[in-house]
Amino acid sequence: DIQMTQSPASLSASVGDRVTITCQASDDVTEDVNWYQQKPGKAPKLLIYDASNLFRGVPSRFSGSGSGTHFTFTISNLQPEDFATYYCQQYHLPQSFGQGTKLELK
Amino acid sequence: QMQLQESGPRLVKPSQTLSLTCSVSGGSLSHGDYYWAWIRQSPEEGLKWIGYIYYMGTTAYHPSLSSRAVISVDRSRNQFSLRLSSVTAADTAVYFCARESRASPYGLDVWGQGTAVTVSS
Repeated sequence: DIQMTQSPASLSASVGDRVTITCQASDDVTEDVNWYQQKPGKAPKLLIYDASNLFRGVPSRFSGSGSGTHFTFTISNLQPEDFATYYCQQYHLPQSFGQGTKLELK
Repeated sequence: QMQLQESGPRLVKPSQTLSLTCSVSGGSLSHGDYYWAWIRQSPEEGLKWIGYIYYMGTTAYHPSLSSRAVISVDRSRNQFSLRLSSVTAADTAVYFCARESRASPYGLDVWGQGTAVTVSS
């Protein structure tokens, strides 16, 4: 099984900041990585697919990059609604998720 | 707009079978571009993919659950279901059903709201 190691586990930032989250895959997953946002009591929402593609309706301040085993997710110009938990996911079988990064208001 | 809704018992006794159903509205489950998935979330495991089914019946499961999990589809009711046998406290989690695209844009793009299931006597 492919493990996704996500860091940091938590992050404090202010509105307007730029933040970056990383995910390391235990094996080559090419670009088969997605990123999700989850708010308390809600289901995750797809933000980025195939490592770097913005899902429809997602603001352009969200971006992703990477291939192989190393992936990054960036939010530029943080907005109040962006404070949430973020997860990476690889979709080779069996699919797996990172442990999540909780983004909190500083 | 497609919506998914989980239903089923919130409390299951140890060693019994957990049964959940996902009702699909706003579109057909028989659309060939999608898998229909179950994912669970607990503080101990985080998000864990359980498995998925294609409308024709093809399935895939997480190896750690494959001996206990069965996902089935009822095309006439536009529903799919999860049965997880011989449950223990470790199966206590929020269970989500979701649609997974088989073509770009890949990903779990429509989710149910989730249902919390507790395994306890």
